[in-house]
Amino acid sequence: QLQLRESGPGLVKSSETLSLTCSVSGGAISSSTFYWDWIRQPPGKGLEWIASIHSSGTTDYNPSLKSRVTISMDTSKNQFSLKLTSVNAADTAVFYCARQSPLGEVLLWGQGTLVTVSS
Amino acid sequence: SSELTQDPSVSVALGQTVRITCQGDSLRSFYANWYQQKPGQAPVLVIFGKNNRPSGIPDRFSGSISGLTASLTITGAQAEDEADYYCNSRDSGANHLIFGRGTKLTVL
Repeated sequence: QLQLRESGPGLVKSSETLSLTCSVSGGAISSSTFYWDWIRQPPGKGLEWIASIHSSGTTDYNPSLKSRVTISMDTSKNQFSLKLTSVNAADTAVFYCARQSPLGEVLLWGQGTLVTVSS
Repeated sequence: SSELTQDPSVSVALGQTVRITCQGDSLRSFYANWYQQKPGQAPVLVIFGKNNRPSGIPDRFSGSISGLTASLTITGAQAEDEADYYCNSRDSGANHLIFGRGTKLTVL
């Protein structure tokens, strides 16, 4: 059974770079037609898609975050990662890694990790 | 990019039927998917595609679409259905994912 788990610092200082990793178990991220996503949710607010990376390596970014975001994958470790630069308080959120099907549904989610940006 | 519009809140009496809607231009090209999220938990996909339920989702959940408005219907709402519900779809014209702002369902 495929499982996803986020890892990374829970506290990041303002203006620094947020880095998170999603470890995937139960299946290879490179051997499928799925997209691997980062989605965030600020406290008390809704879901926001951040970025996707396809098993082929193709990437897509939310236009509102594109200038600050990089998504990448390491097939040897069966992981994919997120970097968000120049963070500020508005970036405080629960970050989820997830697997998206080609038609856009997200069936599999990690448990989420709260990242707080401190001043 | 496109937007998906949802009502902020909806309420339903226990055992009654409730419809939660999601409107957007992207629904001209893509189906809406629906997620249930309870406090402190990750979202759970409850309806995807035309009207498909993942394994383990009760059949009281169903989906439909009329024009540019997708609906999630809960027939015979239960207390455990009280949650936030989000719709999403692909963004037409771009390989992006978009989410509605969510609807808080209260079961009275």
